[in-house]
Amino acid sequence: ELKVEQNPLFLSMQEGKNYTIYCNYSTTSDRLYWYRQDPGKSLESLFVLLSNGAVKQEGRLMASLDTKARLSTLHITAAVHDLSATYFCAVDQGGSEKLVFGKGTKLTVNP
Amino acid sequence: GAGVSQSPSNKVTEKGKDVELRCDPISGHTALYWYRQSLGQGLEFLIYFQGNSAPDKSGLPSDRFSAERTGGSVSTLTIQRTQQEDSAVYLCASSPGTVGEQYFGPGTRLTVT
Repeated sequence: ELKVEQNPLFLSMQEGKNYTIYCNYSTTSDRLYWYRQDPGKSLESLFVLLSNGAVKQEGRLMASLDTKARLSTLHITAAVHDLSATYFCAVDQGGSEKLVFGKGTKLTVNP
Repeated sequence: GAGVSQSPSNKVTEKGKDVELRCDPISGHTALYWYRQSLGQGLEFLIYFQGNSAPDKSGLPSDRFSAERTGGSVSTLTIQRTQQEDSAVYLCASSPGTVGEQYFGPGTRLTVT
């Protein structure tokens, strides 16, 4: 059974600082997704990582995937308040199209 | 273009009643997914449609839950004899094919009293 673990689950950081959120998964998969969720809102797709070594960047966020280590990272550079949200990683279970989600990382960026 | 839409946005129902939740996927998307989000369980997969067929129903929590999709488009998730533990946000997503990101709708918040 595929398990996806994120850490930390809660992250409070100051504006301007850098930090990394980690996403580990338990079985082989080449497809990993990062989503953002604002309070009371649905999930917004941030990144789709489809191969080992994939790196994608959008603004202050950069995601990478190491399929051999079964690890993805979401790096935040020079955080700003607008990045406050909950971030989920999700992995698709091989042979099935369903996504298995981590528990989410609630990020709070303080002025 | 239009995204995934869901209705109703909020539903309050009494325990034991049946409810129907509707999802309109993005036009042309062949794959449609239902997930449930609750505080205790996080985001859980319920069922997946490819066209009108449901190859994977493994996430439906009990036989009180069923779903159908007609015309390769709209899907309805039905919960019979609702229980308080069914209270959650039900999210629908669609994707253009079997690989790639899933686009989520705004969700239906179900509260069973």
